[in-house]
Amino acid sequence: DAGITQSPRYKITETGRQVTLMCHQTWSHSYMFWYRQDLGHGLRLIYYSAAADITDKGEVPDGYVVSRSKTENFPLTLESATRSQTSVYFCASSENGGFPDGYTFGSGTRLTVV
Amino acid sequence: EDQVTQSPEALRLQEGESSSLNCSYTVSGLRGLFWYRQDPGKGPEFLFTLYSAGEEKEKERLKATLTKKESFLHITAPKPEDSATYLCAVQAGSGNKLVFGAGTILRVKS
Repeated sequence: DAGITQSPRYKITETGRQVTLMCHQTWSHSYMFWYRQDLGHGLRLIYYSAAADITDKGEVPDGYVVSRSKTENFPLTLESATRSQTSVYFCASSENGGFPDGYTFGSGTRLTVV
Repeated sequence: EDQVTQSPEALRLQEGESSSLNCSYTVSGLRGLFWYRQDPGKGPEFLFTLYSAGEEKEKERLKATLTKKESFLHITAPKPEDSATYLCAVQAGSGNKLVFGAGTILRVKS
């Protein structure tokens, strides 16, 4: 199916564990993004990528690692999960950096760190 | 630092009761202002892009307008299915990143 898919949809992990959230898009969009959404903060950018092998930090990158070896995949890794990383994570993609049709978002991964 | 503030935080309307949501922004070099709709448990869904002051765009019961400091999302004769969180975002400067506001939760009662 065409689109952008995130997995898993829900994840519970323990403090200190490493966890990877997956994002896959079928359009070959150049740009991909990771946001987290928390009550009161809205969506905040973690990392983004303009093309394969090109990544850059967003507003809240600490504690996260990304890679983009293939255009269609953009995994997000929490190296040592903390309770403050409990959140809903959204992946998004765009061909032209958002113009004219904005980003297309996935359905999100709800991560709970206990 | 680019900032986006949305008001009100939450809005309750009766079906058919028109109203407006506000998005005020402080950026250096606005390239575009975006409106999204988000339903519970889902990712944001793109609605509009506005590029310059004076621009307006419409889609069904929604109309977005833009000035030099803020944008409004006007909802005319809303229906219960318009209930959602509406997000505003800006893209500024040379980057391709969107900066989002915290959103307005809209509830429309029949």
